[in-house]
Amino acid sequence: DIVLTQSPALAVSLGQRATISCRASQSVSISRYNLMHWYQQKPGQQPKLLIYRASNLASGIPARFSGSGSGTDFTLTINPVQADDIATYYCQQSRESPPWTFGGGTKLELK
Amino acid sequence: QVQLKESGPGLVQPSETLSLTCTVSGFSLTSYSVSWVRQPSGKGPEWMGRMWYDGDTAYNSALKSRLSISRDTSKNQVFLKMNSLQTDDTGTYYCTRDPELGAGDYWGQGVMVTVSS
Repeated sequence: DIVLTQSPALAVSLGQRATISCRASQSVSISRYNLMHWYQQKPGQQPKLLIYRASNLASGIPARFSGSGSGTDFTLTINPVQADDIATYYCQQSRESPPWTFGGGTKLELK
Repeated sequence: QVQLKESGPGLVQPSETLSLTCTVSGFSLTSYSVSWVRQPSGKGPEWMGRMWYDGDTAYNSALKSRLSISRDTSKNQVFLKMNSLQTDDTGTYYCTRDPELGAGDYWGQGVMVTVSS
Protein backbone atom coordinates (compact mmCIF):
# COMPACT_ATOMS: atom_id res chain seq x y z
CA ASP A 1 0.00 0.00 0.00
CA ILE A 2 1.07 3.59 -0.61
CA VAL A 3 2.07 5.24 2.66
CA LEU A 4 1.38 8.96 3.12
CA THR A 5 3.49 10.90 5.63
CA GLN A 6 2.39 14.16 7.22
CA SER A 7 3.92 16.22 10.02
CA PRO A 8 1.80 15.76 13.16
CA ALA A 9 1.26 19.45 13.91
CA LEU A 10 1.75 22.96 12.60
CA ALA A 11 1.46 26.19 14.61
CA VAL A 12 0.38 29.31 12.74
CA SER A 13 -0.81 32.82 13.53
CA LEU A 14 -4.19 34.09 12.38
CA GLY A 15 -3.89 35.95 9.10
CA GLN A 16 -0.69 34.18 8.14
CA ARG A 17 -0.06 31.45 5.57
CA ALA A 18 -0.15 27.78 6.56
CA THR A 19 1.60 25.19 4.42
CA ILE A 20 0.80 21.54 5.14
CA SER A 21 2.83 18.85 3.41
CA CYS A 22 2.17 15.26 2.43
CA ARG A 23 4.76 12.87 1.03
CA ALA A 24 3.83 9.60 -0.66
CA SER A 25 5.96 6.45 -0.59
CA GLN A 26 5.59 6.23 -4.38
CA SER A 27 4.22 8.41 -7.13
CA VAL A 28 0.46 9.04 -7.05
CA SER A 29 0.41 10.71 -10.46
CA ILE A 30 -0.90 9.10 -13.64
CA SER A 31 -0.42 11.02 -16.87
CA ARG A 32 -1.83 14.49 -16.16
CA TYR A 33 -3.75 13.38 -13.08
CA ASN A 34 -2.31 13.85 -9.60
CA LEU A 35 -4.44 11.55 -7.46
CA MET A 36 -3.95 13.26 -4.12
CA HIS A 37 -6.82 14.81 -2.16
CA TRP A 38 -7.15 16.87 1.02
CA TYR A 39 -9.72 16.88 3.81
CA GLN A 40 -10.42 19.03 6.84
CA GLN A 41 -11.77 17.43 10.00
CA LYS A 42 -12.92 19.20 13.14
CA PRO A 43 -13.47 17.34 16.45
CA GLY A 44 -16.65 15.29 16.44
CA GLN A 45 -17.27 15.91 12.73
CA GLN A 46 -16.82 13.92 9.56
CA PRO A 47 -14.02 14.74 7.12
CA LYS A 48 -14.81 17.47 4.59
CA LEU A 49 -13.30 17.37 1.11
CA LEU A 50 -11.28 20.53 0.41
CA ILE A 51 -9.13 19.74 -2.62
CA TYR A 52 -9.36 16.89 -5.13
CA ARG A 53 -6.74 15.75 -7.63
CA ALA A 54 -4.08 17.89 -5.98
CA SER A 55 -5.27 21.34 -7.02
CA ASN A 56 -9.03 21.40 -7.63
CA LEU A 57 -11.16 23.23 -5.08
CA ALA A 58 -14.17 21.21 -3.94
CA SER A 59 -17.61 22.76 -4.09
CA GLY A 60 -18.25 25.49 -1.52
CA ILE A 61 -14.65 25.66 -0.28
CA PRO A 62 -13.21 29.18 0.14
CA ALA A 63 -10.49 30.30 -2.24
CA ARG A 64 -8.02 30.78 0.63
CA PHE A 65 -7.48 27.01 0.37
CA SER A 66 -5.26 25.79 -2.46
CA GLY A 67 -3.33 22.67 -3.34
CA SER A 68 -0.27 21.88 -5.40
CA GLY A 69 2.22 19.16 -6.11
CA SER A 70 2.87 16.12 -8.24
CA GLY A 71 4.58 12.76 -8.04
CA THR A 72 5.27 12.14 -4.37
CA ASP A 73 5.18 15.62 -2.82
CA PHE A 74 2.04 17.62 -2.24
CA THR A 75 1.08 20.75 -0.36
CA LEU A 76 -2.10 22.24 1.03
CA THR A 77 -1.91 26.00 1.56
CA ILE A 78 -4.28 28.10 3.62
CA ASN A 79 -3.80 31.83 3.13
CA PRO A 80 -4.76 33.69 5.17
CA VAL A 81 -5.56 31.38 8.08
CA GLN A 82 -8.80 32.15 9.87
CA ALA A 83 -9.96 30.94 13.30
CA ASP A 84 -12.45 28.57 11.65
CA ASP A 85 -9.57 26.76 9.93
CA ILE A 86 -8.21 25.29 13.17
CA ALA A 87 -8.66 21.57 12.54
CA THR A 88 -6.83 18.44 11.49
CA TYR A 89 -5.98 18.05 7.81
CA TYR A 90 -5.59 14.71 6.04
CA CYS A 91 -4.20 13.84 2.65
CA GLN A 92 -5.55 10.80 0.79
CA GLN A 93 -4.38 9.06 -2.38
CA SER A 94 -6.39 7.13 -4.96
CA ARG A 95 -3.54 6.24 -7.34
CA GLU A 96 -3.56 2.72 -5.94
CA SER A 97 -7.13 1.64 -5.43
CA PRO A 98 -7.96 -0.48 -3.63
CA PRO A 99 -7.13 0.76 -1.21
CA TRP A 100 -7.35 4.49 -0.80
CA THR A 101 -4.88 5.40 1.92
CA PHE A 102 -4.81 8.42 4.21
CA GLY A 103 -2.02 10.29 5.91
CA GLY A 104 -1.82 10.42 9.67
CA GLY A 105 -3.07 13.99 9.75
CA THR A 106 -1.62 17.41 10.54
CA LYS A 107 -3.20 19.30 13.42
CA LEU A 108 -3.26 23.01 12.69
CA GLU A 109 -2.82 24.98 15.90
CA LEU A 110 -2.67 28.65 16.79
CA LYS A 111 0.71 30.10 17.61
CA GLN B 1 -29.65 17.60 -1.43
CA VAL B 2 -27.09 14.84 -1.10
CA GLN B 3 -27.18 13.07 2.25
CA LEU B 4 -25.76 9.88 3.69
CA LYS B 5 -26.62 8.48 7.10
CA GLU B 6 -25.07 5.54 8.88
CA SER B 7 -26.99 3.41 11.35
CA GLY B 8 -26.22 0.38 13.44
CA PRO B 9 -25.42 -0.81 16.94
CA GLY B 10 -23.10 1.28 19.06
CA LEU B 11 -21.79 -1.71 21.05
CA VAL B 12 -20.65 -5.05 19.69
CA GLN B 13 -19.28 -8.00 21.61
CA PRO B 14 -15.80 -9.30 20.71
CA SER B 15 -15.90 -12.05 18.08
CA GLU B 16 -19.39 -10.95 16.97
CA THR B 17 -20.46 -9.51 13.62
CA LEU B 18 -20.94 -5.80 12.93
CA SER B 19 -23.81 -4.82 10.65
CA LEU B 20 -24.13 -1.22 9.47
CA THR B 21 -26.47 0.49 7.02
CA CYS B 22 -25.79 3.60 4.97
CA THR B 23 -29.01 5.23 3.76
CA VAL B 24 -28.51 7.76 0.98
CA SER B 25 -30.68 10.45 -0.56
CA GLY B 26 -30.22 13.03 -3.29
CA PHE B 27 -28.41 10.67 -5.65
CA SER B 28 -28.72 7.22 -7.15
CA LEU B 29 -26.63 4.22 -6.10
CA THR B 30 -26.60 3.16 -9.76
CA SER B 31 -24.83 6.40 -10.71
CA TYR B 32 -22.39 6.85 -7.80
CA SER B 33 -20.17 4.51 -5.83
CA VAL B 34 -20.20 4.50 -2.03
CA SER B 35 -17.21 3.73 0.17
CA TRP B 36 -16.97 2.78 3.84
CA VAL B 37 -14.23 4.45 5.88
CA ARG B 38 -13.50 3.95 9.57
CA GLN B 39 -11.50 6.01 12.01
CA PRO B 40 -10.20 4.99 15.44
CA SER B 41 -10.35 7.79 17.94
CA GLY B 42 -7.41 10.16 17.52
CA LYS B 43 -6.10 8.41 14.40
CA GLY B 44 -6.32 8.84 10.66
CA PRO B 45 -9.10 7.34 8.55
CA GLU B 46 -8.86 3.87 7.02
CA TRP B 47 -10.66 3.00 3.77
CA MET B 48 -12.51 -0.29 4.15
CA GLY B 49 -14.21 -0.98 0.86
CA ARG B 50 -16.46 0.24 -1.91
CA MET B 51 -19.76 -0.60 -3.55
CA TRP B 52 -19.34 0.46 -7.16
CA TYR B 53 -22.24 2.09 -9.01
CA ASP B 54 -22.47 -1.04 -11.22
CA GLY B 55 -22.82 -3.37 -8.24
CA ASP B 56 -19.24 -4.58 -8.10
CA THR B 57 -17.29 -4.39 -4.85
CA ALA B 58 -13.71 -3.67 -3.79
CA TYR B 59 -12.13 -4.31 -0.40
CA ASN B 60 -9.10 -3.32 1.59
CA SER B 61 -6.95 -6.43 1.51
CA ALA B 62 -6.29 -6.08 5.25
CA LEU B 63 -10.01 -6.56 5.94
CA LYS B 64 -11.15 -8.59 2.96
CA SER B 65 -11.44 -11.91 4.77
CA ARG B 66 -13.86 -10.41 7.34
CA LEU B 67 -15.75 -7.83 5.29
CA SER B 68 -18.78 -7.87 3.02
CA ILE B 69 -20.48 -4.90 1.34
CA SER B 70 -23.84 -5.14 -0.40
CA ARG B 71 -26.72 -2.86 -1.40
CA ASP B 72 -30.44 -2.54 -1.96
CA THR B 73 -30.96 0.06 -4.66
CA SER B 74 -34.74 0.08 -4.16
CA LYS B 75 -34.20 1.28 -0.60
CA ASN B 76 -31.17 3.48 -1.39
CA GLN B 77 -29.11 1.56 1.13
CA VAL B 78 -25.58 0.17 1.27
CA PHE B 79 -24.72 -2.44 3.89
CA LEU B 80 -21.50 -3.34 5.67
CA LYS B 81 -20.96 -6.60 7.51
CA MET B 82 -17.72 -7.42 9.25
CA ASN B 83 -17.20 -10.52 11.35
CA SER B 84 -14.84 -11.58 14.13
CA LEU B 85 -14.70 -8.12 15.64
CA GLN B 86 -11.91 -7.28 18.07
CA THR B 87 -11.27 -4.29 20.32
CA ASP B 88 -9.10 -2.60 17.72
CA ASP B 89 -12.15 -2.42 15.44
CA THR B 90 -13.52 0.24 17.79
CA GLY B 91 -13.98 3.60 16.09
CA THR B 92 -16.27 5.76 14.02
CA TYR B 93 -17.57 4.26 10.81
CA TYR B 94 -18.48 6.52 7.89
CA CYS B 95 -19.98 6.03 4.46
CA THR B 96 -19.01 8.45 1.74
CA ARG B 97 -20.05 9.11 -1.83
CA ASP B 98 -17.28 8.39 -4.31
CA PRO B 99 -18.00 10.24 -7.58
CA GLU B 100 -14.99 8.82 -9.45
CA LEU B 101 -12.85 11.74 -8.32
CA GLY B 102 -10.97 9.22 -6.22
CA ALA B 103 -12.18 11.08 -3.16
CA GLY B 104 -15.29 11.24 -1.01
CA ASP B 105 -17.25 14.37 -1.74
CA TYR B 106 -20.11 13.82 0.73
CA TRP B 107 -19.83 12.00 4.04
CA GLY B 108 -22.30 10.74 6.57
CA GLN B 109 -22.08 11.96 10.16
CA GLY B 110 -20.63 8.61 11.20
CA VAL B 111 -21.62 5.98 13.72
CA MET B 112 -19.47 5.23 16.74
CA VAL B 113 -18.89 1.51 17.26
CA THR B 114 -17.37 0.14 20.45
CA VAL B 115 -16.19 -3.46 20.63
CA SER B 116 -16.32 -4.52 24.24
CA SER B 117 -17.72 -7.23 26.47
